[in-house]
This record gives sequence, structure tokens and C-alpha cells, in this order.
Amino acid sequence: QVQLVQSGAEVKKPGASVKVSCKASGYTFTSYTIHWVRQAPGQRLEWMGWINAGNGNTKYSRKFQGRVTITRDTSASTAYMELSSLRSEDTAVYFCARQVLAGTPGDYWGQGTLVTVSS
Amino acid sequence: QSALTQPPSASGSPGQSVTISCTGTSSDVGDYDYVSWYQQHPGKAPKLMIYEVSKRPSGVPDRFSGSKSGNTASLTVSGLQAEDEADYYCSSYAGINNYVFGTGTKVTVL
Repeated sequence: QVQLVQSGAEVKKPGASVKVSCKASGYTFTSYTIHWVRQAPGQRLEWMGWINAGNGNTKYSRKFQGRVTITRDTSASTAYMELSSLRSEDTAVYFCARQVLAGTPGDYWGQGTLVTVSS
Repeated sequence: QSALTQPPSASGSPGQSVTISCTGTSSDVGDYDYVSWYQQHPGKAPKLMIYEVSKRPSGVPDRFSGSKSGNTASLTVSGLQAEDEADYYCSSYAGINNYVFGTGTKVTVL
């Protein structure tokens, strides 16, 4: 069955970077796009960007442009989201999600990774 | 890209129906038939309930239905059940490979 398993919780200091992984299994990794979405505590979902796992093309939300980098390792069936210049407002749960259906920012989601930014 | 606007809360008794609105602009909801709806229980990942305005993924009960008129999309949950109590988020394709989510609605089953 399809699984997206994300890396564990992280605690980072302001100004640092964090890299979250999303390991896919149960389907052909390179056939679909992976989105990244975050959710601050008690807040709404916020779309960050996507990567075409096949050709590596990416698209980022204007809000995160310049601070976020999404990559993938096809040999490991894993996507990564790196966010730099962290600030306290970046404290959130970060989700990866596979897109199969057109026009959705993900039809199957990982379990989420809590990133806490604190001095 | 501004968030789509949803009412903060909605409620209904078991067996009743509840409808949640999702208002965007002519650049997102109004321009594309790519509105999705997600259900999120506390501490859990979102689950896709509706895609392409009104289509249901396999396994989603037909109590869930979606529609759109102009810049506003709607999700209706009929025959409310206790397990429907959750947060619901709409999302829309916003052109140039961008996406936007709604502000979220907490549905309470009375």
C-alpha cells in the first residue's frame, strides 16, 4: 500500500536551516508529484511548493521563494524539503503529500514532521 | 496569494446537513474547476474528500458533496455523523502551478 513516511521532529535555533525527508513506498516514486504543506499550531494549511519526482522540476510559493528548496533522490524514493533562515514563525508541522489527481495539492499525505524554532 | 475565505465554524445535529463555503477570486476558484476539500481530525494528516469541485475519491461516503458557483465553492455533508466532526479545508489551483488553501472551518456535531 502507498506510504509516505516522514523524518522525525526537529528543534532548531533561529537562523538555522532544517531538512525534512519524505520516503515513499508502495508506488512508482517517479510517476507523481510531491507537494509540501505546513501548518503552524492552531493555524490553517499553507502550501509551500512541489517537485515533479520524475524530472525534478519544482515550483515554490512566492511566500517561501528564496528560503525553501525541494529536492528528491530517486534511488531512495525520497523527497526533501529544506527551509533556511528559520524564525519562530516557522514553527509548524510540515507535511508531504503525493499528487495523483489533477488540481489537488496532494491526495495522499505523510504523517507530518514537527519543526520547532526556538532559541 | 491570499487564503481562500471559509467560515470559522459550522455545526449541525446528527442526521442533519451542514454546508461550508469557500470564497476565492476570479484568479483561483472562479477560474479553474480544481477545487478540493480536505478533512482533518486533531493531530492527524488531512484526508482528501472532494476533488475537481465535486468528485469523490474512492472510499469517501456519498454523504459528502461539492459544488461551485462563480468564485465560491461549497462542501455539503449530509446525514451528519459524530465522526464528521473535524476541521475542513478547501484548496484551489491558482494558476502557474500554484495552489492556495482556505482558512479552515471547524465542524461540530451537536
